[in-house]
Amino acid sequence: NAGVTQTPKFQVLKTGQSMTLQCAQDMNHEYMSWYRQDPGMGLRLIHYSVGAGITDQGEVPNGYNVSRSTTEDFPLRLLSAAPSQTSVYFCASSSTFNTEAFFGQGTRLTVV
Amino acid sequence: AQKVTQAQTEISVVEKEDVTLDCVYETRDTTYYLFWYKQPPSGELVFLIRRNSFDEQNEISGRYSWNFQKSTSSFNFTITASQVVDSAVYFCALSEAERNYGGSQGNLIFGKGTKLSVKP
Repeated sequence: NAGVTQTPKFQVLKTGQSMTLQCAQDMNHEYMSWYRQDPGMGLRLIHYSVGAGITDQGEVPNGYNVSRSTTEDFPLRLLSAAPSQTSVYFCASSSTFNTEAFFGQGTRLTVV
Repeated sequence: AQKVTQAQTEISVVEKEDVTLDCVYETRDTTYYLFWYKQPPSGELVFLIRRNSFDEQNEISGRYSWNFQKSTSSFNFTITASQVVDSAVYFCALSEAERNYGGSQGNLIFGKGTKLSVKP
């Protein structure tokens, strides 16, 4: 049982490059979300989805896009990377938005 | 607006000491959920507990216990007889029952975390 799988684990980007962080879950959870973790800031919600085809913005959505074409996958796209997007990114899934969230291992992204 | 405050940024204790991590929350909802997560040095986030706003009964799980007090909007976490393996960052989080599209309501709102160091 893999749970929530994020790839890659580490990534270095140059300013202006684009990339996609992958997130997949095998628990048939409807609810998925992306957070970023910065030192001293806790985790902040970027985007979330309550089911296939439905996404919405969280607290810090600027510079990121998401889509949810299947229940299993919820990729996060950085359109034009900026140094301010250097962070650790976590994908999470839960059966509903008020139940225990299962987190992926995280992606450490550095934008230079 | 919902908010979670963990006033203790870092705590350092010696093994076998008891330690309490504070969590104060703000919400206008009458139905909400509170969580604690642990992030060990390896970086993953581990779920510890979930409570709903109608259940103020304290909970004990081994060396861990949680004290939920609606009167003071607090959900504190105590580790008894701490061990080196308890060293981690601990996050308190809040989720409101009413979910409104276009905002963060209904999602997990995290505090900034408390870094606990347990020294041998």
